[in-house]
Amino acid sequence: DQQVKQNSPSLSVQEGRISILNCDYTNSMFDYFLWYKKYPAEGPTFLISISSIKDKNEDGRFTVFLNKSAKHLSLHIVPSQPGDSAVYFCAARKSGGGADGLTFGKGTHLIIQP
Amino acid sequence: DGGITQSPKYLFRKEGQNVTLSCEQNLNHDAMYWYRQDPGQGLRLIYYSQIVNDFQKGDIAEGYSVSREKKESFPLTVTSAQKNPTAFYLCASSRDRDWGTQYFGPGTRLLVL
Repeated sequence: DQQVKQNSPSLSVQEGRISILNCDYTNSMFDYFLWYKKYPAEGPTFLISISSIKDKNEDGRFTVFLNKSAKHLSLHIVPSQPGDSAVYFCAARKSGGGADGLTFGKGTHLIIQP
Repeated sequence: DGGITQSPKYLFRKEGQNVTLSCEQNLNHDAMYWYRQDPGQGLRLIYYSQIVNDFQKGDIAEGYSVSREKKESFPLTVTSAQKNPTAFYLCASSRDRDWGTQYFGPGTRLLVL
C-alpha cells in the first residue's frame, strides 16, 4: 500500500515556464514533507521541506505548498531551467520523532524543453 | 569538506556470496540509513540507526545486515539470503533522531553475476 503517491511518472515543461510537481499521501501521521532531486546514478539531493504546521515554504525558485485537508503537496519551480531536468521524489516523515526513515513516492521525471 | 561517501560505486556479487557496502559520513550526524532503489521505484528503507551500537529494521530488511560500531560508519552487508540483490543502494544520514532532513551519499550499484 503506497502511502506517498506521485501519480505523474513524467512531466515535460518548456524552459522559462512553471513546473508543478504533485504528491499525495494517505497517512495522517506524516508531519514533515521533503522534496529531493535525483540525477541518474547519483544520490538524491535535498531541495526543500515543509512542516505540517505550515502551508507554504519558499526557497529561491522553489516553493512547496501543503494542503493538509486534501493530503496533497506540490512543488513549484519558477522559472524552469534546463538543469532542473531530473527525477523528483516526494518524501514524508511520521510524527512522534525518531529517526525511522522517510517514506518516498516513486518519483516524477521532469524534462525541461528548450 | 563534509559529506557522505559510499564505496564502491559498482559492486559485483556472485551467487551465494555475501558483499559489504561501505558508508561513511563526517557530518557528525547521529542517525544513518540504508535505502534501496529499483528501476521506476521510489526508495525503500532497509535499516536505520539512531545512535552507535543500535539499529532497527526498515521495511525490507530480509537478507540484509548492518552494524554501527562507530558514529561515522554504517556498513551494509547483502547476504546470500537476499534473493534479488541487484539494485542501487543509497546511504543517508540526518543530524539527530528528530531531524527529518536526510542527506544522501552518491550510491552503490550492486550487480549479480
